[in-house]
This record gives sequence, C-alpha cells and structure tokens, in this order.
Amino acid sequence: DAGITQSPRHKVTETGTPVTLRCHQTENHRYMYWYRQDPGHGLRLIHYSYGVKDTDKGEVSDGYSVSRSKTEDFLLTLESATSSQTSVYFCAITTPGTEAFFGQGTRLTVV
Amino acid sequence: DQQVKQNSPSLSVQEGRISILNCDYTNSMFDYFLWYKKYPAEGPTFLISISSIKDKNEDGRFTVFLNKSAKHLSLHIVPSQPGDSAVYFCAASGGSDMRFGAGTRLTVKP
Repeated sequence: DAGITQSPRHKVTETGTPVTLRCHQTENHRYMYWYRQDPGHGLRLIHYSYGVKDTDKGEVSDGYSVSRSKTEDFLLTLESATSSQTSVYFCAITTPGTEAFFGQGTRLTVV
Repeated sequence: DQQVKQNSPSLSVQEGRISILNCDYTNSMFDYFLWYKKYPAEGPTFLISISSIKDKNEDGRFTVFLNKSAKHLSLHIVPSQPGDSAVYFCAASGGSDMRFGAGTRLTVKP
C-alpha cells in the first residue's frame, strides 16, 4: 500500500448539504489530487495541491473547494451538494515524473 | 477540454493474442505518460510509464510506445491473459498537471 486513505468510503447525502471528503497520506508526497470518475468520462481532475496551502483548479472545479493545511491531509468540500456531484471520488498522491498512487475511492450519492 | 483521449471504450481479445490500447493527447507540455489498470471498487493501480525522451518502454508482457510527433501513445500486452481484463486508463503529466483519458475496458476471453 502506498499509504493513502480516503474517508468516508461511502456516503449518502441530501441535496443542498455540505460534504467534506478527506484524503490522508503517510508518504510525505508534495502533490495531491482529487478526481471524480464517471461513466464515459474517465477520471476528471477537480483540484490539486502542490504544497501546504498551495492549491489550483482542475477541469471540473465548479461547486468544489479544497484545503490543505498540512502535508498529509487534502480535503475536498462540496459546499452545497447537487445530484450532478453523485460520483466516485479518488485522491492521488505523487511526485512529478513518477507514478501516482490512488486511494480506494469514496462513493458519494446525492439524493 | 479533454487533453487526453482514449477513443475506444472497449476492446475484446482472445487469450494469448496481443492487446493494443491507444491514447492521444493534445497538450505539448506533457512530458511523462502512464498507464493505469482499474478493477471495480478499487483505485487505479500503476502499470507502466514512459518519459517523453524515450519512444519505448518494456516491462514483461507490457510495452508502451510513444510517438511525440503524433501525440500518441499505445500500450501493448502480449500475450494477453484473462486476468488482464480490467479498465485501462492512459494518463499524461507535465509539471503539477496530471490528466487522464476516459478509459478502455479490456476483456480477454479464454
């Protein structure tokens, strides 16, 4: 295992509620990413971080925010969940020029 | 904007034959390319990679080819085995950016 865990693994939430997903690593990688996986779209980048308090938007960042207050934790927040955010969310860690390691994923359902 | 494209959603091959998965990218800033394998209910796992300074990298039954002028890479699996059945994602990275294709579902029939 690459020392990356996501929590929770499954969550059902109601439309309009805030939701926070957590990614925790024990590998001290500088770069951390959040992706969502949807049928027909593969893995799409939501946000990424290249250091503590350093984050940037990916290709599908609308409706999402992130925070990284320490190296090991990268939080993804849905400010007001919508049904279109029902998806499987993956966190990844890497050092540029090497392979990325992924968490097990969080299955989020917004009802 | 989809910077990494896998145009074949699925591929079916016979056990023992070659599987060829293709991937195209548009961003010239990408300099490192990877293939990942994914089983249901699991995170993607790294398979093989190639740097932009190379045109081929081989690891056992897996070979990745890179054609920079065409912005195209391919993954060859030979011989294919039933255990190779999974979804394969192509990825491209440059600096802090890392993008993935939509995936190709490979089915290897016994």
